[in-house]
Amino acid sequence: KAGVTQTPRYLIKTRGQQVTLSCSPISGHRSVSWYQQTPGQGLQFLFEYFSETQRNKGNFPGRFSGRQFSNSRSEMNVSTLELGDSALYLCASRRQLSSYEQYFGPGTRLTVT
Amino acid sequence: AQTVTQSQPEMSVQEAETVTLSCTYDTSESDYYLFWYKQPPSRQMILVIRQEAYKQQNATENRFSVNFQKAAKSFSLKISDSQLGDAAMYFCAYRSEVNYGGATNKLIFGTGTLLAVQP
Repeated sequence: KAGVTQTPRYLIKTRGQQVTLSCSPISGHRSVSWYQQTPGQGLQFLFEYFSETQRNKGNFPGRFSGRQFSNSRSEMNVSTLELGDSALYLCASRRQLSSYEQYFGPGTRLTVT
Repeated sequence: AQTVTQSQPEMSVQEAETVTLSCTYDTSESDYYLFWYKQPPSRQMILVIRQEAYKQQNATENRFSVNFQKAAKSFSLKISDSQLGDAAMYFCAYRSEVNYGGATNKLIFGTGTLLAVQP
C-alpha cells in the first residue's frame, strides 16, 4: 500500500508570492493534517481536514489555508509569503477521526527568499 | 493546554548498547495517547511506538519499549541493542482522547532528541 505522498518535495519562492502544496493520503484514509516544522518552533499543527471540512486549526495567521477534495487529497496554500514561512511542511493522514495513529509524508521543503 | 517536554536535545549511544530517551508531559486529562516518532535524515516521520494512558502495561515493539509513569507524567523510550539505523531525531507526542466541541485532537510534539549511534 502506498504511503502518504507530498508534492513538490522542494520549493523556492520569493517574498510576497503564494504557494500551494499537495498531499495525497494513504488509500482509505479520510483525514489529513498539516504540520509546519522549523528549527526554532519545532513541529506545529496547522489544520486537519476530514470529509472536505476543516475540523481543527492551529494558531497560524489567515495567510495559511487549506482544503480537501472528495478523494481525500488535500492542498494547503500560503499567500503573501514571508521569510519566516521557510520550513518543512508535513502532511499526515489517518483513517478516521477516531484513529489515534497518524502516518506522515516525506514533507515539502519550502524556502522563501 | 497540554505540553510535551524533551529535556535531552542530543544523545549518543554505542552500537549494540541500550539508550533511554526522556519525555515528560503536562495535562489535566485522564485519557490520552502518547507516541514516539522517529525522523531519520530522509525526513519521513515514522511511528515507533504508542501507549494508551488507560493501559498500565508498558508498550513494547521489538527493540523499542517505553516506561510509562502516569502519575509522574513521564514517558521514556528505551532502545535496546542499538543499531546504526536507529540514528535519527526522536519526537515524543501527545494526543487527547476526548473531542471538545467537535474539534479533532491534534498531535502535540516535544522539541525532539537527536540520537547518534557510534559504531
